[in-house]
Amino acid sequence: DIQMTQSPSTLSASLGDRVTITCRASQSISGWLAWYQQKPGKAPKLLIYQASSLESGVPSRFSGSGSGTEFTLTISSLQPDDFATYYCQQYNSYSTFGQGTKLEIK
Amino acid sequence: QVQLQESGPGLVKPSETLSLTCSVSGGSINSNYWNWIRQPPGKGLEWIGYIYATGSNNYNPSLKGRVTISADTSNNQFSLKLTSVTAADTAVYYCARSRDSRGPHLGYWGQGTLVTVSS
Repeated sequence: DIQMTQSPSTLSASLGDRVTITCRASQSISGWLAWYQQKPGKAPKLLIYQASSLESGVPSRFSGSGSGTEFTLTISSLQPDDFATYYCQQYNSYSTFGQGTKLEIK
Repeated sequence: QVQLQESGPGLVKPSETLSLTCSVSGGSINSNYWNWIRQPPGKGLEWIGYIYATGSNNYNPSLKGRVTISADTSNNQFSLKLTSVTAADTAVYYCARSRDSRGPHLGYWGQGTLVTVSS
């Protein structure tokens, strides 16, 4: 089974900060990775698919990169609506989510 | 606009079968990936499995043997059955559809339904 490890588990940041979340796969998943944002009591929302493709309607401050085993989600300038939990998902073999990164206000 | 809605019992007894249905509007289930995902209270997301438009399935190996996902094209819905449930199966269960047919990157989600396993 492919394991997905996100870091950090918690991230404290301020409005306007540039933040990066990393997701590492236990084996190569090529570019079959998605990123989601989830707020309390709500379903996750797709942000990025196929590692770097921005989902329609998602602000351009979100970007994704990587291939193989290491991937990053970057938010270029944090906005109030961005404080949430973020998950990566691999879908190269079956599918697995990372454990999540909670983005908190500093 | 594609919309998904989960339905089913909110309480299931241990050792019994959990059954949920996802009703789909705004699009046919004859294309794309149709998934079930769950989230135990206060924890992360776990992918359960999917049924693809062709009727093929893929399930989380950790649940294999207990899970079945099937589609009802006449009613445009798909279903989850999870057998021999325990308290560890207590979670919010989501149904979700891929944004396109290239892979199960999940662009459309239901609101989720809480299923509690308890006697």
